[in-house]
Amino acid sequence: AQKITQTQPGMFVQEKEAVTLDCTYDTSDQSYGLFWYKQPSSGEMIFLIYQGSYDEQNATEGRYSLNFHKARKSANLVISASQLGDSAMYFCAMSHNQGGKLIFGQGTELSVKP
Amino acid sequence: EAGVAQSPRYKIIEKRQSVAFWCNPISGHATLYWYQQILGQGPKLLIQFQNNGVVDDSQLPKDRFSAERLKGVDSTLKIQPAKLEDSAVYLCASSLGGANYNSPLHFGNGTRLTVT
Repeated sequence: AQKITQTQPGMFVQEKEAVTLDCTYDTSDQSYGLFWYKQPSSGEMIFLIYQGSYDEQNATEGRYSLNFHKARKSANLVISASQLGDSAMYFCAMSHNQGGKLIFGQGTELSVKP
Repeated sequence: EAGVAQSPRYKIIEKRQSVAFWCNPISGHATLYWYQQILGQGPKLLIQFQNNGVVDDSQLPKDRFSAERLKGVDSTLKIQPAKLEDSAVYLCASSLGGANYNSPLHFGNGTRLTVT
């Protein structure tokens, strides 16, 4: 069975510093995708970044990058130059090639301090 | 491009009552999902549609929950009768890539249900 684990319930970071949010996954599939979503207090789920299991380079999207270690089954999100607006819940999710649905982790609450 | 639309935004009902949620996906998105997000947890898939057919409803409590997607566009999720543990945010999402594993899901703002 597939599983996503986020071991950090809450994280604090100083404004303008970088922060890493951890995510490990478990799957026996060869083809899968890893996603990160941001959920502000308003509730919407905002897609941030995607990494495919066959992608050799780490994905980057602006201030977001994904550190992908396939052998360790980890897909950590790095946010550079944190901003106050980055304060939110962050969810790691995984899809597989049968159906495309996403399985989510428990989330990490990030608080950015001024 | 208009996003995923959901209504209502909030709903408060008493246990044993019924409730319905509506979702309109992004135009052209063939795949539609309903997720349940209990406070403090990640979203959990309830049901997945591909066009107007059900792909996965293995985690839908079918004794009280039902969903339909007529004509392969809009969808409704119904709970009857509601229980206290159904209090959650119900998120609708859609994707362009069908059943492919590399298509991000685009979410609506959700419906926050409180059962008293």
